[in-house]
Amino acid sequence: QQPVQSPQAVILREGEDAVINCSSSKALYSVHWYRQKHGEAPVFLMILLKGGEQKGHEKISASFNEKKQQSSLYLTASQLSYSGTYFCGTEGNNAGNMLTFGGGTRLMVKP
Amino acid sequence: KAGVTQTPRYLIKTRGQQVTLSCSPISGHRSVSWYQQTPGQGLQFLFEYFSETQRNKGNFPGRFSGRQFSNSRSEMNVSTLELGDSALYLCASRPGGSTNEKLFFGSGTQLSVL
Repeated sequence: QQPVQSPQAVILREGEDAVINCSSSKALYSVHWYRQKHGEAPVFLMILLKGGEQKGHEKISASFNEKKQQSSLYLTASQLSYSGTYFCGTEGNNAGNMLTFGGGTRLMVKP
Repeated sequence: KAGVTQTPRYLIKTRGQQVTLSCSPISGHRSVSWYQQTPGQGLQFLFEYFSETQRNKGNFPGRFSGRQFSNSRSEMNVSTLELGDSALYLCASRPGGSTNEKLFFGSGTQLSVL
């Protein structure tokens, strides 16, 4: 079952912050985040494993709430290069390493 | 190190035909996954192969099949093509296929069914 991402789309001005959410109806073991720019392959951002840890990558960080079966991606002081579609991928406790992706969140950063 | 290579890049077929897509993973990667990407549907999981064995399969009809060779290269086949099969097909590889390994995606094969 696909995780649900929200919002579906967001438009920001450079320097603004954004949060993208990813929710699952099943217990999760891990959450992956990827970004895809138009016409390109998805590129890895980070992985969060069961345990509720928060990870960071420059001004992009994420959290994983195992109990709520949710993950959130935080984009701080957005840059033009952050534009693209963000996907979360989830693996359930019994999924046997199958990674299921959400529908994606389209992010546009304007000058 | 070369990235994930998918061929062909573009493909145009007509309804009822069949098609074979190819994916060469990063050297040393034994897991290859296939995804279908359509506007509004995100990335739909097709299947995953690990060491020549299908380890997982998504909810796609039997017209979609795949295989993996001993050198880890993978092929995906779609028989009796339908208009709704038009999509970008992405393959992704990772070393051992465990949950803490990131996926490396290829640029995809854009399939158009007329």
